[in-house]
Amino acid sequence: GENVEQHPSTLSVQEGDSAVIKCTYSDSASNYFPWYKQELGKRPQLIIDIRSNVGEKKDQRIAVTLNKTAKHFSLHITETQPEDSAVYFCAACISGGATNKLIFGTGTLLAVQP
Amino acid sequence: GAVVSQHPSWVICKSGTSVKIECRSLDFQATTMFWYRQFPKQSLMLMATSNEGSKATYEQGVEKDKFLINHASLTLSTLTVTSAHPEDSSFYICSAGVGGGYEQYFGPGTRLTVT
Repeated sequence: GENVEQHPSTLSVQEGDSAVIKCTYSDSASNYFPWYKQELGKRPQLIIDIRSNVGEKKDQRIAVTLNKTAKHFSLHITETQPEDSAVYFCAACISGGATNKLIFGTGTLLAVQP
Repeated sequence: GAVVSQHPSWVICKSGTSVKIECRSLDFQATTMFWYRQFPKQSLMLMATSNEGSKATYEQGVEKDKFLINHASLTLSTLTVTSAHPEDSSFYICSAGVGGGYEQYFGPGTRLTVT
């Protein structure tokens, strides 16, 4: 089955610096890759996603890149702010028969130091 | 838009009792609902997938007789933890899917503590 690996597990940056989180997936049939931000005790919130027919997508300070050949995708956050501090999860969408399902990475705890 | 509610937000129950958790999509109809379990400082583990009017599909290792899922309508799914034990204590999160499950919107989660 699909396996999603995520690195690093923790990341500490200074406010204003960039942060990069990387994920790799194993199932070449995966075709949708969302990123979620989860604050402590709260629900995961979709922050950006990318489909397999696109190599890069950007939304203000957040961007995601996808390399289908290498089966890896990355989240880039520029000009980080303290409110970016949270756990970030990548996911890969695989077909589960009639329904697609998400397989999540292990998460990255991002700490932005003011 | 795409708001998902979950009730209760937290529950404490005694070992051996059953607990029901509700998940509702408030402003859209969800073709599919998903139930996840999350232990502290860990990732979301998919427990089961349910489509309205049909039986849930459980992930490997998840006991279907212990975690009963009912998907009565396009806006409501319930998870019942039967005969709960302390090891069932966890954060349970549902999500409602659109577009065949590609886009999932998560509920706020239910913190279950079994004493």
